[in-house]
Amino acid sequence: DAGVIQSPRHEVTEMGQEVTLRCKLISGHNSLFWYRQTMMRGLELLIYFNNNVPIDDSGMPEDRFSAKMPNASFSTLKIQPSEPRDSAVYFCASSFPVTGRWEAFFGQGTRLTVV
Amino acid sequence: AQSVTQLDSQVPVFEEAPVELRCNYSSSVSVYLFWYVQYPNQGLQLLLKYLSGSTLVKGINGFEAEFNKSQTSFHLRKPSVHISDTAEYFCAVLQRNTPLVFGKGTRLSVIA
Repeated sequence: DAGVIQSPRHEVTEMGQEVTLRCKLISGHNSLFWYRQTMMRGLELLIYFNNNVPIDDSGMPEDRFSAKMPNASFSTLKIQPSEPRDSAVYFCASSFPVTGRWEAFFGQGTRLTVV
Repeated sequence: AQSVTQLDSQVPVFEEAPVELRCNYSSSVSVYLFWYVQYPNQGLQLLLKYLSGSTLVKGINGFEAEFNKSQTSFHLRKPSVHISDTAEYFCAVLQRNTPLVFGKGTRLSVIA
């Protein structure tokens, strides 16, 4: 199994630009999580989906952030417009809790730098 | 809401010495507990998990953790650390049908 795949690994963009982060889930997994990691706040849950449906987006910082699951195996996290304070590492994770395996499997992350 | 406290943000330890990384969680209801490890510029990798059964859980790389319900703790231990164990370690908790909630992490530095 290829694991959770995120792209790009690194993104440098100018303030005000739109940024799209991508995530491919592990085949068969039905829960998807987006986390953001910073030195100040550690790992924060931004949003999670179950069976393609957003369950809780209360962690999304503001309206500039949006996330979608256009199909069962793929998700995007979009920031428009981006700001320097959005600089962080963004992780996508998936799980398949119905099997009793509750742990989340993480991608390698996207390091976003907004200048 | 669930919360996780990792009492030490940094733990330096000499090579081949034992180490304990502490973790406490907030809820007394049924929870599942996890330890993840993050090496530099990598994602998080599962070290071990407690779902039910024996309170002593063994994981990869010689790590183990003990679930203590009365103290709401899940401390991670290794009897003899290696340089390669230098990484950040995260404790996490979840209840059924909720996402993982992570602690702030503990940076383990193994000194030669």
